[in-house]
Amino acid sequence: QKEVEQNSGPLSVPEGAIASLNCTYSDRGSQSFFWYRQYSGKSPELIMSIYSNGDKEDGRFTAQLNKASQYVSLLIRDSQPSDSATYLCAVKAQGNYQLIWGAGTKLIIKP
Amino acid sequence: GAVVSQHPSRVICKSGTSVKIECRSLDFQATTMFWYRQFPKQSLMLMATSNEGSKATYEQGVEKDKFLINHASLTLSTLTVTSAHPEDSSFYICSAVWTSGGDEQYFGPGTRLTVT
Repeated sequence: QKEVEQNSGPLSVPEGAIASLNCTYSDRGSQSFFWYRQYSGKSPELIMSIYSNGDKEDGRFTAQLNKASQYVSLLIRDSQPSDSATYLCAVKAQGNYQLIWGAGTKLIIKP
Repeated sequence: GAVVSQHPSRVICKSGTSVKIECRSLDFQATTMFWYRQFPKQSLMLMATSNEGSKATYEQGVEKDKFLINHASLTLSTLTVTSAHPEDSSFYICSAVWTSGGDEQYFGPGTRLTVT
């Protein structure tokens, strides 16, 4: 069974620090990886997509992909209280558009 | 770009009635949309894949006769909850695949259904 694993947290980070969120996946053939943010009571919002090994930066967010280790991470620099949310890692299934979801990591940024 | 809308955002209905939820991709065409359900403090649960012009594909355990899905155009998919019961009360969320990009899924804002 294809799986995506995340630490459920909560992960508590002081304001202004770097938050590091991690995700591992089981399907070695996966090619597309996504990070979503979900605030309580709201729908998921796409933050980052990454398709090749290495780092991809967008503002305060950096996604990192290591296909050999089957590992995806999301770094949030200069964390703000508004970053407090659940972060969902998702991996696109091969052969269709479905996403395999991690259970999410709850991030708390302490002022 | 890549905006998905859902209507209504909230609905309260009586047990035994049917409710229709609309999902629209506003600035792109989506041949594939997904319908999810999420209970409080739980993970997203995929209910079905909606493909334009063809029948939806339902996940195991989801009753296709209870949750009717119609994807009649490249920008609109609808989910009808038939003969709703209180246990159907949940947060229903649709997503649309942006195939012109990197196959990202963009989510609608969700519909909170309460069945009394």
